[in-house]
Amino acid sequence: KQEVTQIPAALSVPEGENLVLNCSFTDSAIYNLQWFRQDPGKGLTSLLLIQSSQREQTSGRLNASLDKSSGRSTLYIAASQPGDSATYLCAVKELNDYKLSFGAGTTVTVRA
Amino acid sequence: ETGVTQTPRHLVMGMTNKKSLKCEQHLGHNAMYWYKQSAKKPLELMFVYSLEERVENNSVPSRFSPECPNSSHLFLHLHTLQPEDSALYLCASSQDPYGGTDTQYFGPGTRLTVL
Repeated sequence: KQEVTQIPAALSVPEGENLVLNCSFTDSAIYNLQWFRQDPGKGLTSLLLIQSSQREQTSGRLNASLDKSSGRSTLYIAASQPGDSATYLCAVKELNDYKLSFGAGTTVTVRA
Repeated sequence: ETGVTQTPRHLVMGMTNKKSLKCEQHLGHNAMYWYKQSAKKPLELMFVYSLEERVENNSVPSRFSPECPNSSHLFLHLHTLQPEDSALYLCASSQDPYGGTDTQYFGPGTRLTVL
């Protein structure tokens, strides 16, 4: 059974600092890994999707890397802003499956 | 309306009540999902429908009963719930559930409180 872990569970940084969020997974036979953002009491919004054959994906200030062999992904958010405050979840999709296995998330607070 | 919508956004019910959650997707997708999100826990997949057929019933208690009348609508019927069922219930949809680049689009959720 795929286990997805996100460390730390919570993170507080001053505005302008770079954010580093970690995700690890136990089974490397994955289709892809996705990073989502969730605002309090709201649904999830997809940020980045990295296919298993890729090493990284970038969108604006966001960059996600994937090391499938070691079962790790990292989400970097450059020059953080208060609007980046949210919970960030990673999820892996296994081969030939429709399921996403989610981590519990990292809650980020960016202080103005 | 665009994306995935859910109603109601908040629901308080007693343990003997019967209620239903509604989800509608306006994206033309083929698959719809129900998830349960409890505090500090990963999202738990409850039910999946692909082309209106249920493909997953992830050991969910029978007090939760899904219904998918067409590819755009998904319901979750609730009866005789327990306080531990209090959670955020999220609906999602996607185009190609077995595809390697498939992304799920989520609704805003229904915050359920069982008294």
